[in-house]
Formats: sequence, structure tokens, C-alpha cells
Amino acid sequence: DAGITQSPRHKVTETGTPVTLRCHQTENHRYMYWYRQDPGHGLRLIHYSYGVKDTDKGEVSDGYSVSRSKTEDFLLTLESATSSQTSVYFCAISESGLGNQPQHFGDGTRLSIL
Amino acid sequence: TQLLEQSPQFLSIQEGENLTVYCNSSSVFSSLQWYRQEPGEGPVLLVTVVTGGEVKKLKRLTFQFGDARKDSSLHITAAQPGDTGLYLCAADNTGGFKTIFGAGTRLFVKA
Repeated sequence: DAGITQSPRHKVTETGTPVTLRCHQTENHRYMYWYRQDPGHGLRLIHYSYGVKDTDKGEVSDGYSVSRSKTEDFLLTLESATSSQTSVYFCAISESGLGNQPQHFGDGTRLSIL
Repeated sequence: TQLLEQSPQFLSIQEGENLTVYCNSSSVFSSLQWYRQEPGEGPVLLVTVVTGGEVKKLKRLTFQFGDARKDSSLHITAAQPGDTGLYLCAADNTGGFKTIFGAGTRLFVKA
């Protein structure tokens, strides 16, 4: 299995609080992604990174920010969490950004915003 | 917006039955992938298809990419309880946001 660790695995917090999720990889892959998974919507891309300090928005980026200061770590921050951000969040990595390259996923973070 | 529509959304069958799930779009894709996801885990890649009309087999699973590269199917022969999971198709979104995913087909195989 690809070495991807997401932390925390579960979190419950209140509306308006800041939340940071961490993704750590040991594969030295250039590309890292944050997705959210909601019933009926599949996986939707929030942000992705194509190198250290290089990030770009995905399909559902509003309300989220990311940072990548090291190859191995990709952080997702909810500056002021809202109930609509309750979801399961997945980090993924890939060697290249080509669409035909496989993405390897972490086991997810279940986030509940009350 | 490019969309991938998967059908059926949910499928419950007995062990030993055959099944086919579908992934359709009005867009043409350069490649398409199938993933399987088990509860509490992330998706795991099963196969990538890149050529129109391509057929790939993975044990009891047969994947086909449509001739026009707009759709794909996954056929499982003699399903087993271990096949239970969420099957996701994903495709290369040349619109700029890398890979897009369908909503998935949730398969439950009863022993």
C-alpha cells in the first residue's frame, strides 16, 4: 500500500471554528490532492498541489485553503467551519498529474461540524 | 460541466450471480479508471482503460471502454461476498480539474 497517512481520522467540532487536516506521504510523489466525498456526489476535488508551494483550486474550493511547505505534507484548512463542510475528506497522491495515472488514496478523515 | 453517471446506484445480489455496472458520459475521455472502495477506507484502483473498445480482465472482473470513449462497463462473473463495496469510475477531465469521479455503484453480495 502507498504510504499515505491522514490525521485526524475523526473529528467533531463546532460551526465557526478553524480546522486543519493533515496528509502525510512517504512516496515522494509530486502531486497531492484533497477530495471530499458526500452521498450522491462521489469524490469532488477541493484543491491540489503539483509541488512544494504550488497549489491550485479544484471544483469545490470555496471555504478551504491548503498549504504545502514540504513534499511529504499537504494541509487542508477550513478557516471557519460550516455545517455544509461536514463530509469525509480524502487525500490522494500521484506521480504525475496526467489523468491516466493512478491516484493512491488515504483512508479518509470523517469530519462533523455541529 | 463534464459528468460521469453511474448506474445502478445500488445493487444487492446473491453470491454466484453475474452483474454489470455502467459509467456513462456525453463527453469523450482520453482514459477511464475504475476504483473499488470499502467502508472506512479510501478508493483503490482496479484498472485503467485508454483505448476505445478496449477490454481488460482482472480475474472475475471484465472492464470495457466504449468505442467512442464516452462510456465504460464493469462486469463481475460469479460475484462473491468479497466483491461487496462501492465501485467508482473516474476519467481524465481535460477541462482542467484533473480526474473527475462518478457517484458510484454500491454493491452488496449476499452469501
